[in-house]
Amino acid sequence: GAVVSQHPSRVICKSGTSVKIECRSLDFQATTMFWYRQFPKQSLMLMATSNEGSKATYEQGVEKDKFLINHASLTLSTLTVTSAHPEDSSFYICSAEQVSNSYEQYFGPGTRLTVT
Amino acid sequence: ELKVEQNPLFLSMQEGKNYTIYCNYSTTSDRLYWYRQDPGKSLESLFVLLSNGAVKQEGRLMASLDTKARLSTLHITAAVHDLSATYFCAVDASGTYKYIFGTGTRLKVLA
Repeated sequence: GAVVSQHPSRVICKSGTSVKIECRSLDFQATTMFWYRQFPKQSLMLMATSNEGSKATYEQGVEKDKFLINHASLTLSTLTVTSAHPEDSSFYICSAEQVSNSYEQYFGPGTRLTVT
Repeated sequence: ELKVEQNPLFLSMQEGKNYTIYCNYSTTSDRLYWYRQDPGKSLESLFVLLSNGAVKQEGRLMASLDTKARLSTLHITAAVHDLSATYFCAVDASGTYKYIFGTGTRLKVLA
């Protein structure tokens, strides 16, 4: 159990376009999901907390207008990178929190974004 | 602000040797997680430590948590090449359920 999927796994887009990444909890409901970004050879940095039915909470330094988060249901959160630039190229990983298991987070397989 | 540091950052070791990776954190927390990450992949959960004194073992890896010292260790016994990966600890920032990740330890086991 506790499987989280992400789609797409890889995406290449041109500068100035927007890209949407989906995060789904497949076998449990998640009122809270998290979005992380990981640059090459670095650690994971929490970008935002996605709350079902309410606005996301962004970490300091993360532009909410650039990284739009929508948590429309108990199994789906989306991250839209708007007006992408090459410096947004990164590995984006989501996680879903399972309340019934001590709030442990389960991580998705990640999405590799390359902006050309 | 919660800070999580790991050391060493890089570790190259011979097969069959033992070594310990350390994870120190700066504020109170009693939940700590260890993950493995292979190149180009996401995180694989290794251990969940939820109380002071917790010790868990799986194969050649053993993790422990000392919440008073704000320290967790990941001990590798008789390393094998397949353990080569990057290892992260993550601390649950008390009261928030957010994870703050350590800097990571890149382990290379030489055959």
